[in-house]
Amino acid sequence: IAGITQAPTSQILAAGRRMTLRCTQDMRHNAMYWYRQDLGLGLRLIHYSNTAGTTGKGEVPDGYSVSRANTDDFPLTLASAVPSQTSVYFCASSDGSYNEQFFGPGTRLTVL
Amino acid sequence: GQNIDQPTEMTATEGAIVQINCTYQTSGFNGLFWYQQHAGEAPTFLSYNVLDGLEEKGRFSSFLSRSKGYSYLLLKELQMKDSASYLCAAMDSNYQLIWGAGTKLIIKP
Repeated sequence: IAGITQAPTSQILAAGRRMTLRCTQDMRHNAMYWYRQDLGLGLRLIHYSNTAGTTGKGEVPDGYSVSRANTDDFPLTLASAVPSQTSVYFCASSDGSYNEQFFGPGTRLTVL
Repeated sequence: GQNIDQPTEMTATEGAIVQINCTYQTSGFNGLFWYQQHAGEAPTFLSYNVLDGLEEKGRFSSFLSRSKGYSYLLLKELQMKDSASYLCAAMDSNYQLIWGAGTKLIIKP
């Protein structure tokens, strides 16, 4: 692994289903983030984690949950997907919350 | 509220110079970032300014005026590969990035 990986690359999901998007980094960065990117809008922060064991809510946290059991992994869970959660999801990490963020390749999620 | 404004789209000619402007309003300020994002790819870091002035990095330069809440990204000697979206993001007092919607730059030969 080099950098940040995300899985799956893309997914089509029925409304009401539960889904976990995976994110793993090998840079030993303390901070990790989940964003969604929608056409015509800027990246919007869903949840973040400044260090393993802690998480925080971003701008659009409703309908999403995260956990940070260790430094490397930061999964994002949609408990019961809705069509408005159709988006491209990016995971990012940084070496300290004030430094540049490195992004994973993204997951394209479609909820029908 | 917190807000980032940048033009939606710009067009420029290969070999020319283009300036992409960004204005921001945030609760506190801990710096201004520029990222490049090619279609279908992840954003990648270009520059960071926290003090007033110009930062030059090869063909790319970034400028910040904290008193005006204003930044620009200057791209020189444009190449076709510079066709991408350029994202402006300001870091607020909680060290969270507030992102603009991005400027799509189209380079014509």
